[in-house]
Amino acid sequence: AQSVSQHNHHVILSEAASLELGCNYSYGGTVNLFWYVQYPGQHLQLLLKYFSGDPLVKGIKGFEAEFIKSKFSFNLRKPSVQWSDTAEYFCAVSSGAGSYQLTFGKGTKLSVIP
Amino acid sequence: EAGVAQSPRYKIIEKRQSVAFWCNPISGHATLYWYQQILGQGPKLLIQFQNNGVVDDSQLPKDRFSAERLKGVDSTLKIQPAKLEDSAVYLCASSLVGDPYGYTFGSGTRLTVV
Repeated sequence: AQSVSQHNHHVILSEAASLELGCNYSYGGTVNLFWYVQYPGQHLQLLLKYFSGDPLVKGIKGFEAEFIKSKFSFNLRKPSVQWSDTAEYFCAVSSGAGSYQLTFGKGTKLSVIP
Repeated sequence: EAGVAQSPRYKIIEKRQSVAFWCNPISGHATLYWYQQILGQGPKLLIQFQNNGVVDDSQLPKDRFSAERLKGVDSTLKIQPAKLEDSAVYLCASSLVGDPYGYTFGSGTRLTVV
């Protein structure tokens, strides 16, 4: 069975600081990888996804993530965070075996201080 | 385009009572998911439908949970009887068959069992 680990439970940054949120997965086969964001009071939204090809993926709102197969990692980055990035971020994986189900990590809460 | 509608937004019940949640997916989305998100954890899949058929219900606690999707549109998730550990947000998501990872999540129903 696949699993996802997000090691940071809560990250607090000042505006303009750089962000990197860790995500590691365990699954031996081909995986599809995702980062979702949940802003306060809103529903889950897709930030970016990786299926194949260039391991550096760019998403919405200036976010990017890098797939490192040898490390089973898919870390999320943003060079300069804004107060509006305050939200909870979830990494998710799908085995791509035809079911299209997502297995989520526990999430990382990001608080950006103005 | 209208989003995934869920109701109620909040529900408080006593243990051993029954409760039902309703989901109306985006029009034309044949695939529908129910996820359970316990506080401090990521969403966990309960059941996946395609049209009115069940694709995967292996993680649904069938002794107390049931779900149906009559006519392949709206879906209802029921818990009977509820336990304290069922306190969670119940998320509904839908996607097109042609875009299986194009999930749209609803805002969820927050259930508190006391």
